Amino acid sequence: AQSVTQLGSHVSVSEGALVLLRCNYSSSVPPYLFWYVQYPNQGLQLLLKYTSAATLVKGINGFEAEFKKSETSFHLTKPSAHMSDAAEYFCAVSRSQGGKLIFGQGTELSVKP
Amino acid sequence: GAGVSQSPSNKVTEKGKDVELRCDPISGHTALYWYRQRLGQGLEFLIYFQGNSAPDKSGLPSDRFSAERTGESVSTLTIQRTQQEDSAVYLCASSFWDREVGNEQFFGPGTRLTVL
Repeated sequence: AQSVTQLGSHVSVSEGALVLLRCNYSSSVPPYLFWYVQYPNQGLQLLLKYTSAATLVKGINGFEAEFKKSETSFHLTKPSAHMSDAAEYFCAVSRSQGGKLIFGQGTELSVKP
Repeated sequence: GAGVSQSPSNKVTEKGKDVELRCDPISGHTALYWYRQRLGQGLEFLIYFQGNSAPDKSGLPSDRFSAERTGESVSTLTIQRTQQEDSAVYLCASSFWDREVGNEQFFGPGTRLTVL
């Protein structure tokens, strides 16, 4: 069975600091991996996705993630946090490109001025 | 409309009542998904439609939950005899399978259900 673990339900960084949100997955087959962001009272928006084309994936708003098979990880990073990055971030895995998403518990990112 | 829409945005009901939640997917999207987000938790998959059929209903928590999709468009999630543990935000997503683009699921804003 597939599962996703996000380490840290809350992460706080200062504006301009590095953002690192951790995601580890388990999957018996090569996975498709996604990061979604949810702003308050809004739906989920796709940040980026890994579909085996490249291990370093660049997404919107300056975010990127690196797929590391040996570590079963897909951590999300951004070099310099902005106040507008404050939101909840979800990592998700899918067994197939047409399939359901299995989500992690989410990480709430706070950005301090 | 450009995105996935859901109605109502908020629903308050009494325990034991039935509720219907509606999802209008993006036009042309063949796949439609329902998820549930309980307070402080991640999203749980409920059911997946490909066209009008549901090949994966594995996430429906009990037989009080059912869903249908008609005309490869609108979907309705019905919860019968609601219980307090059904309180959650119910999210709908749709996608169009494309070999190059892959399966990006586009999410609606959700329906917040509160069972008193």
